[in-house]
Amino acid sequence: AQSVTQLGSHVSVSEGALVLLRCNYSSSVPPYLFWYVQYPNQGLQLLLKYTTGATLVKGINGFEAEFKKSETSFHLTKPSAHMSDAAEYFCAVSPGGSGANSKLTFGKGITLSVRP
Amino acid sequence: NAGVTQTPKFQVLKTGQSMTLQCAQDMNHNSMYWYRQDPGMGLRLIYYSASEGTTDKGEVPNGYNVSRLNKREFSLRLESAAPSQTSVYFCATRQGLNTEAFFGQGTRLTVV
Repeated sequence: AQSVTQLGSHVSVSEGALVLLRCNYSSSVPPYLFWYVQYPNQGLQLLLKYTTGATLVKGINGFEAEFKKSETSFHLTKPSAHMSDAAEYFCAVSPGGSGANSKLTFGKGITLSVRP
Repeated sequence: NAGVTQTPKFQVLKTGQSMTLQCAQDMNHNSMYWYRQDPGMGLRLIYYSASEGTTDKGEVPNGYNVSRLNKREFSLRLESAAPSQTSVYFCATRQGLNTEAFFGQGTRLTVV
């Protein structure tokens, strides 16, 4: 069974500071990994995803994440936070490999606040 | 091109009442999902359908039933609503395992 752990429910950074949101996963097969963002009273939209190939993936709005198999991690970073980045962020995992089911499992989410 | 459409957007039910949440997609995707979102709990998978004609339980299926009516539509039914089912419900679709999911705007359900 797959699972996602997002440590901490709330992260607060100053505008212009580094953003680091942590995600660790558990999967019995090589996973596909995703980061989504949710703005207040809206649905979720994709920031970036890792499927195969390059382990450092770039997404929208200056975000990137690195897949580290040895650490079972997929942490999300952004070099310089902007006020508009304030939102809730979700990490998600889907099993890969042949015969995998299509279940898509989300973490509990992290609320990012950006201080002026 | 509407994407993923959920109806209704808001609903208030009395305990014991039944209702069906509707989800329709025009993206020709194979897989469809129902999640509930509660504060501090993230998105929890209720049921999913890998393809037309199949459905599987997720993490929190108790109290719910689903129907994959055709490729476009995936409905979620509450047979006897309970206050614990007060939540925001999201429908999502995607084409394959390594593709992104697209979400509807959600249904805010309150059970009193």
